[in-house]
Amino acid sequence: AQSVTQLGSHVSVSEGALVLLRCNYSSSVPPYLFWYVQYPNQGLQLLLKYTTGATLVKGINGFEAEFKKSETSFHLTKPSAHMSDAAEYFCAVTPQGGFQKLVFGTGTRLLVSP
Amino acid sequence: KAGVTQTPRYLIKTRGQQVTLSCSPISGHRSVSWYQQTPGQGLQFLFEYFSETQRNKGNFPGRFSGRQFSNSRSEMNVSTLELGDSALYLCASSQNTGGNTEAFFGQGTRLTVV
Repeated sequence: AQSVTQLGSHVSVSEGALVLLRCNYSSSVPPYLFWYVQYPNQGLQLLLKYTTGATLVKGINGFEAEFKKSETSFHLTKPSAHMSDAAEYFCAVTPQGGFQKLVFGTGTRLLVSP
Repeated sequence: KAGVTQTPRYLIKTRGQQVTLSCSPISGHRSVSWYQQTPGQGLQFLFEYFSETQRNKGNFPGRFSGRQFSNSRSEMNVSTLELGDSALYLCASSQNTGGNTEAFFGQGTRLTVV
């Protein structure tokens, strides 16, 4: 079965600093990969996704992620953190050729200090 | 274009009762998935419906059931509620059932079982 590991339940950065949220997947065949963000008392919003093609994926709000098959990773980055980025971030996978069934990581709460 | 609408937003029920949650997908979307979010277990897939047929089911007891109507609206039902069913229930819709298709989430229904 596929699984996703997010290292660090909490990540703290200063405003303007680099944001790096880590995600590793476990699958013999590269799955489809997603990053979602959740603000308090809200649903999930898609930041970006990797299905096929270019391994560097750009998303909304200045976020990007790079698919590295050799490292089974899909880390999320943003060059300069903003206060409004404070939220919980979830990495998720679905199997290639499979149906709508997202398998989520445990989430990383991003804290941004002024 | 209206987003995914879940009703009600908040619900308080007593142990042993049953509850029905509703989800209206984005217009034109035919796939509806349900997820349970708890602090302990994180985000877990419940089931997915496409064209009124359940395509996939997560590892939940039979007390959890769902259905989809011809207009793609979906309901999920939980019978004989337990305290552990307290959670945020999220509905997601997508244009089709492929795993590479973006899922749009509603704001969720927060169920509290007392």
